[in-house]
Amino acid sequence: SQTIHQWPATLVQPVGSPLSLECTVEGTSNPNLYWYRQAAGRGLQLLFYSVGIGQISSEVPQNLSASRPQDRQFILSSKKLLLSDSGFYLCAWSAGQDGARDEQYFGPGTRLTVT
Amino acid sequence: SQQGEEDPQALSIQEGENATMNCSYKTSINNLQWYRQNSGRGLVHLILIRSNEREKHSGRLRVTLDTSKKSSSLLITASRAADTASYFCATGPRNTGKLIFGQGTTLQVKP
Repeated sequence: SQTIHQWPATLVQPVGSPLSLECTVEGTSNPNLYWYRQAAGRGLQLLFYSVGIGQISSEVPQNLSASRPQDRQFILSSKKLLLSDSGFYLCAWSAGQDGARDEQYFGPGTRLTVT
Repeated sequence: SQQGEEDPQALSIQEGENATMNCSYKTSINNLQWYRQNSGRGLVHLILIRSNEREKHSGRLRVTLDTSKKSSSLLITASRAADTASYFCATGPRNTGKLIFGQGTTLQVKP
């Protein structure tokens, strides 16, 4: 069966520090991968999605970047964190050719607090 | 603005009652999906209804889709305290390859 991992689960970082969040998927190949951010009490904002290795689409211009160095690995990064980067970061995957047609499976999330 | 918007934002009911949540969207879609999120956790997929379907059932869940009104509803029958969570609709606009999530409805079921 497929599983999705995210780490770390929680993170407290000072403003201006770098960030690296990792997401890995097991039990499937060539998944579509997604990074979302959720502010407290709000819905999900799609940040990046990827349909293959090295293929990244950015949804919102911001202080973050994403990379997909391996088929089932998706990394969210920042060189210098801002206070506004605080939030709950969720990674998800879906199968198939069209991410809009299939259900997505979410990881447990990373709670990031920038101080 | 968001593609999908849920109504109401918050709902509080007694155990055993039915809970109805609504979702409206703006553009033509491939499908509409409902997800559940327990506090501080990831989202769990509940049900997917395609644009050519009008109603779908899964256990105590019933989802309807009216593409002429660009709206959907999620009905949870005989609610339980364990149903307490936030519920999100997500739409897949045509030719975009991605899902867009609404702001969610927070459901509280009192025992």
